[in-house]
Amino acid sequence: DGGITQSPKYLFRKEGQNVTLSCEQNLNHDAMYWYRQDPGQGLRLIYYSQIVNDFQKGDIAEGYSVSREKKESFPLTVTSAQKNPTAFYLCASIGLGSSWDTQYFGPGTRLTVL
Amino acid sequence: GQQLNQSPQSMFIQEGEDVSMNCTSSSIFNTWLWYKQDPGEGPVLLIALYKAGELTSNGRLTAQFGITRKDSFLNISASIPSDVGIYFCAGLQSGGSNYKLTFGKGTLLTVNP
Repeated sequence: DGGITQSPKYLFRKEGQNVTLSCEQNLNHDAMYWYRQDPGQGLRLIYYSQIVNDFQKGDIAEGYSVSREKKESFPLTVTSAQKNPTAFYLCASIGLGSSWDTQYFGPGTRLTVL
Repeated sequence: GQQLNQSPQSMFIQEGEDVSMNCTSSSIFNTWLWYKQDPGEGPVLLIALYKAGELTSNGRLTAQFGITRKDSFLNISASIPSDVGIYFCAGLQSGGSNYKLTFGKGTLLTVNP
């Protein structure tokens, strides 16, 4: 079955440590996204990528980094520079030129920084 | 970045009642999307709207793309307990990236059996 996987589901880290969240899709989608979700805040865009080896900052990119070395993978690193990293992180993908009913979200990773 | 104004923030209703929620913006949007999110999961697309004035149904759900292109609403008829969750609107802003969505803050729906 095609879809998006995010791992792990829950992640705990000590303050000051970098942590990398995984996002993999086997849908052959061109565009991939990372969102952050806080209670009552909706989804805010961190980074997105429309093609391999290229990505753009979203609205809240400070303290985060990404890479897009392969079409199916878009890992997100939460660095120690991110002042409030505890949140629910969602990855999504869509094929360029496709309608929005082909967009999928992953199940999310809940990151807690202690 | 701009966020859409989604209301109400939360709703508590009895099973069988109808529900209405909406999103507004000061900017023009080319596409409106409505999602549902269950606790601890990713959002799932319910309805996509692509033209001003468009009215689209998906089972008990009906959504409309406002004529001014600055608003959209979602109605749920005859609510059932499994309708519980957070509903989000999202849109593609006119003149912006074709693939960069703006999200509302969500409406938390609780249905009492």
